[in-house]
Amino acid sequence: QKEVEQNSGPLSVPEGAIASLNCTYSDRGSQSFFWYRQYSGKSPELIMFIYSNGDKEDGRFTAQLNKASQYVSLLIRDSQPSDSATYLCAVNGGRGSTLGRLYFGRGTQLTVWP
Amino acid sequence: ETGVTQTPRHLVMGMTNKKSLKCEQHLGHNAMYWYKQSAKKPLELMFVYNFKEQTENNSVPSRFSPECPNSSHLFLHLHTLQPEDSALYLCASSQDGHKTPEAFFGQGTRLTVV
Repeated sequence: QKEVEQNSGPLSVPEGAIASLNCTYSDRGSQSFFWYRQYSGKSPELIMFIYSNGDKEDGRFTAQLNKASQYVSLLIRDSQPSDSATYLCAVNGGRGSTLGRLYFGRGTQLTVWP
Repeated sequence: ETGVTQTPRHLVMGMTNKKSLKCEQHLGHNAMYWYKQSAKKPLELMFVYNFKEQTENNSVPSRFSPECPNSSHLFLHLHTLQPEDSALYLCASSQDGHKTPEAFFGQGTRLTVV
């Protein structure tokens, strides 16, 4: 059973703070890691992906990957109320999985208050 | 305009009805997916098509029947559904299932079975 675990939250941070979202996964063979943002009543939107160990930065977002520890995180700097959403962690299946198969966590609900 | 379009956006159907969900992607992708999103549960992969070939049926009941006539279109045919099938059904596409597995989602069909 390939699992992706996230804290369901809710995570609440003040505007301007750093929001830190964490995700662990069970399949050591996983190679690709994704963060999706989902606003209430909307579909998931891809915001970051990372394939290599280390950090990847895109604007206010930084994805961090540590394959040895099997965790991936998302940092949101200078959080804004518009960042309030559910953040889904997704992991590409490793060996033995159908190509393209993504495993999703339950999501972490983030609230940024003004 | 989103690159992945789903119709209808909302659907209410009785347990004896037959209906179809439609998905079209304008991104030139070769892989398409159906996901189910229920409250409090992770996104569940239902079907995967790579280059029009079905590569995964994730133990989905036969009352759900997918069809992929070409790499741009994907259908989900529904018949004799149960109330517990009420959920948000999401279509997604990716460039392919291997080298570039990043998936982009349509806006979803909110299905209610009465």
